[in-house]
Amino acid sequence: GAVVSQHPSWVICKSGTSVKIECRSLDFQATTMFWYRQFPKQSLMLMATSNEGSKATYEQGVEKDKFLINHASLTLSTLTVTSAHPEDSSFYICSASLGDSGNTIYFGEGSWLTVV
Amino acid sequence: QKEVEQDPGPLSVPEGAIVSLNCTYSNSAFQYFMWYRQYSRKGPELLMYTYSSGNKEDGRFTAQVDKSSKYISLFIRDSQPSDSATYLCARGTGRRALTFGSGTRLQVQP
Repeated sequence: GAVVSQHPSWVICKSGTSVKIECRSLDFQATTMFWYRQFPKQSLMLMATSNEGSKATYEQGVEKDKFLINHASLTLSTLTVTSAHPEDSSFYICSASLGDSGNTIYFGEGSWLTVV
Repeated sequence: QKEVEQDPGPLSVPEGAIVSLNCTYSNSAFQYFMWYRQYSRKGPELLMYTYSSGNKEDGRFTAQVDKSSKYISLFIRDSQPSDSATYLCARGTGRRALTFGSGTRLQVQP
């Protein structure tokens, strides 16, 4: 099946630094990718919708200047957590749509971010 | 009211049992339905997707959709300890992001 790859799978960073997470669709082109955040034992919370070649659409309450999303190509979207704080520690997951109707959605393996 | 309601569990069953996982939804605009399995500290894995009312079967898994009742189910036959995970139901419309339930934690006891 389709594969979505995330990197890094886990990262530890110091407060105040920035961290970039990559999301790649390995065997298909994804015009739309989604970024989610998940806290322990909770469901996925949509952060933003990333569209290739245009600005991301952020969900209410998500700071676009803090969570920078770039979708420069049909196979790559990046999420940069800027000036990270301990409360940003979480599991970040991306997903990508396969097909013109966008209704088959695959997820990456997720990236664990710990800010110390 | 949440758009998608799902019992968080945990649900504990003996190995070999038939598992029934359920979700209800409130928005009739949803066009397609999915079930994902998520192991601890991993991304969700797509199990099944369906567009219409009725049943869809794939191996030990059967997805059932009742649009008139806004109810979807996932049945797992001959459950195995390796099925122990969190199961997320999701609904989607067009190219928009999915709307997820809260997930049900399943534990299959050997």
